[in-house]
Amino acid sequence: TQLLEQSPQFLSIQEGENLTVYCNSSSVFSSLQWYRQEPGEGPVLLVTVVTGGEVKKLKRLTFQFGDARKDSSLHITAAQPGDTGLYLCAGGRAGNNRKLIWGLGTSLAVNP
Amino acid sequence: DAGVIQSPRHEVTEMGQEVTLRCKPISGHNSLFWYRQTMMRGLELLIYFNNNVPIDDSGMPEDRFSAKMPNASFSTLKIQPSEPRDSAVYFCASSYWGQLNTEAFFGQGTRLTVV
Repeated sequence: TQLLEQSPQFLSIQEGENLTVYCNSSSVFSSLQWYRQEPGEGPVLLVTVVTGGEVKKLKRLTFQFGDARKDSSLHITAAQPGDTGLYLCAGGRAGNNRKLIWGLGTSLAVNP
Repeated sequence: DAGVIQSPRHEVTEMGQEVTLRCKPISGHNSLFWYRQTMMRGLELLIYFNNNVPIDDSGMPEDRFSAKMPNASFSTLKIQPSEPRDSAVYFCASSYWGQLNTEAFFGQGTRLTVV
């Protein structure tokens, strides 16, 4: 059973388009992290959200944590080829946020 | 800092052989994690250490897998005997425990192929 469901699984778009990827769960998390992983590399942290309804922006990337802290979304504006990669969400539980629960990821390809 | 260093980057071995993966965490970090990544199952936490002590090894698939952390700057993950279904990318990550919602820093991984 995958506790964190990410959608879509694959996404291929043209440079300049906007996109949103989702991370959903029936469980409540104390924190939610988004990572990006490039081929041949390990995941790299993009952002951590901890408060229900929280919105964080990182240049063209906007992250939102659901009000009930069960889901999150990542929106990319005017995607660029450098945004290509695997986007992973990981949830931390209260009392043990070192043991992250990981989604399977959304594989994004941005074509020039 | 050079980041988390893993070796080897690639390992091809025959079924039944022993495999040892190595990890050097970031200096000053006190938590270390071993993950396995496959297309089907994504990232799976195998085991994590805090201050060199194994805290949770519930993700270790079976007795063929073992992990050690003899000191703060080195850890190994051993598979003996290896099987084709162990083929995956194995990641080591480290973090500083003591802050809420700490960032995990990953190494580049070891791609293991068991034939």
